[in-house]
Amino acid sequence: SQTIHQWPATLVQPVGSPLSLECTVEGTSNPNLYWYRQAAGRGLQLLFYSVGIGQISSEVPQNLSASRPQDRQFILSSKKLLLSDSGFYLCAWSYRNTEAFFGQGTRLTVV
Amino acid sequence: GENVEQHPSTLSVQEGDSAVIKCTYSDSASNYFPWYKQELGKRPQLIIDIRSNVGEKKDQRIAVTLNKTAKHFSLHITETQPEDSAVYFCAAKGADSWGKLQFGAGTQVVVTP
Repeated sequence: SQTIHQWPATLVQPVGSPLSLECTVEGTSNPNLYWYRQAAGRGLQLLFYSVGIGQISSEVPQNLSASRPQDRQFILSSKKLLLSDSGFYLCAWSYRNTEAFFGQGTRLTVV
Repeated sequence: GENVEQHPSTLSVQEGDSAVIKCTYSDSASNYFPWYKQELGKRPQLIIDIRSNVGEKKDQRIAVTLNKTAKHFSLHITETQPEDSAVYFCAAKGADSWGKLQFGAGTQVVVTP
């Protein structure tokens, strides 16, 4: 069966510091991968999605970036965090025409 | 690209009553419409989905209807219980090779005993 791992679960980072969140999927190959952000009490904002290694599409211009160095690995990064980057970050995977399965999420607080 | 709108943003119902959440989508090529439930601090979990070749689908107390012509779909929860309290999200996925899933803004459902 397929599983998705996302870490860390919580993270407190100072403004201006770098960020790296990692997500890996097991039990599947060539999945679509997604990064979503959820501000407190708000909806799911699609940040990046990827259909293959090295193929990244950005939905919202910002100081975040994503990379997919391996088929089942998706990384969300920032060189310098802003206060507005605080939120609940969710990685997800899907096949083309199926539902998305979410990781447990990372609660990021930028202080 | 696809745009999904969801209403209402909050919904309070008495235990035992029904709850209805409505969504509209913009891309007529979208062909897959899942609904997710998110409890506080947890990840969204799929509760029901429907594809564009079906008009209605039911699973115990929850049902989803789809009107392709009007480009809207709805979630119906009957005989609500306190454990139904959560945020519910609708979503739509396009038929292109990217399979990008766009979510509505969410509905906070509160079921009062």
